Amino acid sequence: AQSVTQPDIHITVSEGASLELRCNYSYGATPYLFWYVQSPGQGLQLLLKYFSGDTLVQGIKGFEAEFKRSQSSFNLRKPSVHWSDAAEYFCAVNTNAGKSTFGDGTTLTVKP
Amino acid sequence: DAGVIQSPRHEVTEMGQEVTLRCKPISGHNSLFWYRQTMMRGLELLIYFNNNVPIDDSGMPEDRFSAKMPNASFSTLKIQPSEPRDSAVYFCASTFGVSGAGYEQYFGPGTRLTVT
Repeated sequence: AQSVTQPDIHITVSEGASLELRCNYSYGATPYLFWYVQSPGQGLQLLLKYFSGDTLVQGIKGFEAEFKRSQSSFNLRKPSVHWSDAAEYFCAVNTNAGKSTFGDGTTLTVKP
Repeated sequence: DAGVIQSPRHEVTEMGQEVTLRCKPISGHNSLFWYRQTMMRGLELLIYFNNNVPIDDSGMPEDRFSAKMPNASFSTLKIQPSEPRDSAVYFCASTFGVSGAGYEQYFGPGTRLTVT
């Protein structure tokens, strides 16, 4: 069965510092991978997705993620974090009929 | 497009009352999902529909919960009777669900349910 692990429950970074959020997945076939962001009081919004091809994908708000099949990972990165990036981040893998398996989420706090 | 529409946005009710949450998916999407989010349990998939047919309801916590999708543009999640532990934010999401494809889900703004 498919699963997604986000090892870090909570991460704190200083504004302007770089960010990396980890995601590991388990899925037997070629994965379709996603990162979503949830700001307080809102629903989840897609940041970026990986289907095939270039393993480095660009998303909105300056985020990028790299797919590494050998490590079963899809880590999210941003070179310089802004205070508005404080939110909860979810990694997900797709299965049949559009169903996604989500990780437990990583809460990002940004220090001034 | 207006996105996924959920109503009401907030609901406060007393224990034992019936609660009905509503969702209008994005036009053209054929898969719809109901999630529940709490601090303790995180984001949980309750049920999902494909082409208006319930595919997996294994996440529905109890018989008190039921969901319907009478047509492609409307779904309801009902809790009867409601209990304080049902207090949570309930999200509806939709997508174009094709087996083997990788379309992202579009989430509604959620309904914050408080049962006193």
